[in-house]
Amino acid sequence: GESVGLHLPTLSVQEGDNSIINCAYSNSASDYFIWYKQESGKGPQFIIDIRSNMDKRQGQRVTVLLNKTVKHLSLQIAATQPGDSAVYFCADLGGRYKLIFGSGTRLLVRP
Amino acid sequence: ETGVTQTPRHLVMGMTNKKSLKCEQHLGHNAMYWYKQSAKKPLELMFVYNFKEQTENNSVPSRFSPECPNSSHLFLHLHTLQPEDSALYLCASCPREGLYNEQFFGPGTRLTVL
Repeated sequence: GESVGLHLPTLSVQEGDNSIINCAYSNSASDYFIWYKQESGKGPQFIIDIRSNMDKRQGQRVTVLLNKTVKHLSLQIAATQPGDSAVYFCADLGGRYKLIFGSGTRLLVRP
Repeated sequence: ETGVTQTPRHLVMGMTNKKSLKCEQHLGHNAMYWYKQSAKKPLELMFVYNFKEQTENNSVPSRFSPECPNSSHLFLHLHTLQPEDSALYLCASCPREGLYNEQFFGPGTRLTVL
């Protein structure tokens, strides 16, 4: 029979608006976090990272916020563009220095 | 271009076939990874090599056999696969296994097992 795809949370935003993608992690000992972007037909691409001794880090049009108290990570994209449409994954460095990936959020940008 | 290449990009094989996936990185990195990305699960780590030594086998069935002849090349040998092994297989590399290392991913091999 037909396979059922992984149900990803989807965020739909208007072009030009800001996007906020959220991620929860479970390992309170994690001290390094990465956001990846994966476009259709491509491998994940690094966007931005943050270490646990920071609560905010900014890149070009992107900002990552880390709240260690509630084990929450967010990615903010300013002035979202059609080229930002992709699946976004957060990853945290788990035990034995292995990256643990979340299931991802699909971002759709409406023209 | 991330500096990590994978071949083939697409592969269709029967359950009795033997095939190999190839990954090559041109970044001078010393750690290489195999991940499985299927429609039903998040990205799953399969194997890790650090300076050519395997440091992680994430309970992967023996029908998947990795090989790392040097720090630039990584192979995944496949034999007697099952249809549920159909997925996107991603290779990644980083400077070395450890803290604060961004992993660079290849484009993946889309595998279909009939």
